[in-house]
Amino acid sequence: SQQGEEDPQALSIQEGENATMNCSYKTSINNLQWYRQNSGRGLVHLILIRSNEREKHSGRLRVTLDTSKKSSSLLITASRAADTASYFCATEGGNEKLTFGTGTRLTIIP
Amino acid sequence: GAVVSQHPSWVICKSGTSVKIECRSLDFQATTMFWYRQFPKQSLMLMATSNEGSKATYEQGVEKDKFLINHASLTLSTLTVTSAHPEDSSFYICSAAGLAGGRPEAQYFGPGTRLTVL
Repeated sequence: SQQGEEDPQALSIQEGENATMNCSYKTSINNLQWYRQNSGRGLVHLILIRSNEREKHSGRLRVTLDTSKKSSSLLITASRAADTASYFCATEGGNEKLTFGTGTRLTIIP
Repeated sequence: GAVVSQHPSWVICKSGTSVKIECRSLDFQATTMFWYRQFPKQSLMLMATSNEGSKATYEQGVEKDKFLINHASLTLSTLTVTSAHPEDSSFYICSAAGLAGGRPEAQYFGPGTRLTVL
């Protein structure tokens, strides 16, 4: 399966700043999901946005989806040191399978 | 809710031995479980999809005789790496999907198993 691309590959920001990560994919989707992974650990599901939705919020997270451009963005506002992790987007195309993006390594500098 | 556990969390074995990894959904019934493999600093690659009571569906390039999957119940799936070799060393992660409004959506991931083959 073809992976999506995420950019940037790595991002370092000061605590309190906002972090934006982008994800592009190649095929049509039913939904797009964002996950967080702390080093050497499993994935934590953050948010799911369906193909007929354009924007979704959850706490300090804001996700947008543009199906015409096959892209999504994840915004984390007022970042905290605990947000340091790798973030992956994953698309689901109707067969339950998830195709993961390449990931963004986010480092929050205290 | 929606907790998935994996056991063991890490394992070191000698080349040629077989290793079994368990994946359990603790508080929900998982109609489908997925097995992924992740190399250091890389993304997750789907290995196979497992449905309770039926044979697993393997992704292209994944050897079914090498990676045996058994989904014996709605809460347990096992991955056995047979005759492990150093190149099988990786982080193996399972996920479980339950039913939400009649359609599985978000997958819930286990904490992963670090396999090191000497």
